[in-house]
Amino acid sequence: EVHLVQSGAEVKKPGESLKISCKTSGYIFTTYWIGWVRQMPGKGLEWMGNIYPGDSDTRYSPSLQGQVTISADTSTNTAYLQWSSLGASDSAMYYCAIQLRTGDAFDIWGQGTKVTVSS
Amino acid sequence: QSALTQPASVSGSPGQSITISCTGTSSDVGTYNLISWYQQHPGEVPKLLIYEASKWPSGVSNRFSGSKSGNTASLTISGLQAEDEADYYCCSYAGRSTFVFGAGTKVTVL
Repeated sequence: EVHLVQSGAEVKKPGESLKISCKTSGYIFTTYWIGWVRQMPGKGLEWMGNIYPGDSDTRYSPSLQGQVTISADTSTNTAYLQWSSLGASDSAMYYCAIQLRTGDAFDIWGQGTKVTVSS
Repeated sequence: QSALTQPASVSGSPGQSITISCTGTSSDVGTYNLISWYQQHPGEVPKLLIYEASKWPSGVSNRFSGSKSGNTASLTISGLQAEDEADYYCCSYAGRSTFVFGAGTKVTVL
């Protein structure tokens, strides 16, 4: 069975760095794109970017390019989303998701990681 | 890459059918048949309802159906039920392994 298990909730101060994770199991990690989706409080879903762990090919939403870094570790089948300097506007729920059996649709989702940035 | 346009809210009575539209551009919805729809209940993880504009993932009720014409995709919920009250999002492939979501539609069952 396929599982995506995300790291726990984080509370950070503005300017701090952060790296959240999405540990996968039950499928061949290197052969499927993993995406990250942001949901700000009370707002809709926003695609942030995708990574193909097989060759680390990474794509970002134009609106987020340079603000976050997506990476993957094939030795632990884990994808990451990181910030070098958080801002209050980064407070959101972050989901990882994969496109496993349904073409380019995200059919398997992680449980989400809530990030709160507050001074 | 702007968010796809969805109505903010749609409502209907139990048993009725409702349709949610999702309008994009010739760079996304208009070019690709790779439209997906997601249902999200408050506090829950999004759930895939439709992929490739009109296909059902395993386990999804056929009360949900999808279509596309030109730059607009649509999700129809037939036989509306109380449990269908949720937020619904469309998503389109936008080329070069990038995606764009719609702003979301809140469905209310009257």
